[in-house]
Parts: sequence; structure tokens; C-alpha cells
Amino acid sequence: AQSVTQPDIHITVSEGASLELRCNYSYGATPYLFWYVQSPGQGLQLLLKYFSGDTLVQGIKGFEAEFKRSQSSFNLRKPSVHWSDAAEYFCAVGLNSGNTPLVFGKGTRLSVIA
Amino acid sequence: DTGVSQDPRHKITKRGQNVTFRCDPISEHNRLYWYRQTLGQGPEFLTYFQNEAQLEKSRLLSDRFSAERPKGSFSTLEIQRTEQGDSAMYLCASRGTGELFFGEGSRLTVL
Repeated sequence: AQSVTQPDIHITVSEGASLELRCNYSYGATPYLFWYVQSPGQGLQLLLKYFSGDTLVQGIKGFEAEFKRSQSSFNLRKPSVHWSDAAEYFCAVGLNSGNTPLVFGKGTRLSVIA
Repeated sequence: DTGVSQDPRHKITKRGQNVTFRCDPISEHNRLYWYRQTLGQGPEFLTYFQNEAQLEKSRLLSDRFSAERPKGSFSTLEIQRTEQGDSAMYLCASRGTGELFFGEGSRLTVL
């Protein structure tokens, strides 16, 4: 069965600094990969997704992620963090883009300090 | 608002009572999913529908949990004889051919 590991429970970065959130997956086939963000009391919003093609994908709010098959990773990056980026970030994996439900990691909480 | 709508947003109940949550998906989406999220965890899949057909329900946490989507539009998730361990956020999501769109969730507190 597929699984997702987000090794960092909580990360604190300074505003303006760069950010990388780690995600590793376990899956027997080529996965479909997603990053979602959740602000307190809110639902999950899709930041970006990878289905195929270019392994570097761009998302909303200046985020990007790189799929590395050899490392089974899909790390999320942002070159300069804003205070409004403080939230919970979830990596998810799915089997193709069809019906099957996504499996989520446990999330990484991002705090941004001045 | 044309997003996924969930009701109620917050429910406080006493142990042993039944609760029902409603989800209205984006109108053209034929797939609807229910997830549960507890504090410090990612969303945990419970069940999903394609139109009115429930395609996966083995992940429902116990036989106290049931879900319906009678006309292929809105869905309900019912928990019977609630327990304190049922306290969580219950998330609904819908999907057409692309990404999954989530509602803001229904938070359940069982006293």
C-alpha cells in the first residue's frame, strides 16, 4: 500500500528566508503527487500537483516542487517565505488521476518569524 | 459560493448520541470523498462515492459510521452512538476530472 512520510513535524523559518519541506513516498507504480496547505480552521487548498512530464512543477503562491524518482521524494520549496505562509502543509500521493483516494502524510507545520 | 460546502461547521454532542454531517460538493463533480483529520495528523480516508454509488467503504472506522449519497449530489456521514474518540474534523472533498477540492470541514467534539 502506498504511504507518505513527512519527516519534519514543525519547521520555523525567518521571513524572507528560503524553505524546503520534505516528502517521501512509498508506491509501487508511478505516483501522482500533491501538496496541500491548510490554514487554521480552514479546509485544504491545493498548492501544486505532479502527474507526469517535467519533474519540476510550479504552483500557486510562489511554491514549486521537484519529483525525484530515484529518491522517492517530492519536496516543496519556496525561495522567499512570507509571514502569510505560516500554515500546515500536507503531501499526498494517489494512484493515477482517477477515482482512488489520496493518501496523506502527517503534515509539517510551518512557523514564520520576523 | 461554488465550492464544497459542509454543515454544520462545528458540532458538540454527548457520548452515545448520533450525529450527521452534510456535504454539498461542487455541482458538476461526480466523485465525493470523506476524510477524518485528528489533531496533528493528516487527513485519513474514510469512504467515497462516484455519483450515488459508494465505491469504497472498508475504511470506515467501525459499523457505527455510515455514509450516503442518495441522488448523486449531496452526501451525509452519520456516526451512531458517538464515542470520545470520534472527536475530530470530518472533511469532505469532491472531484471532477482534476484536482480534489476540500470543504472547510465539520469539527466534532464528543463530551
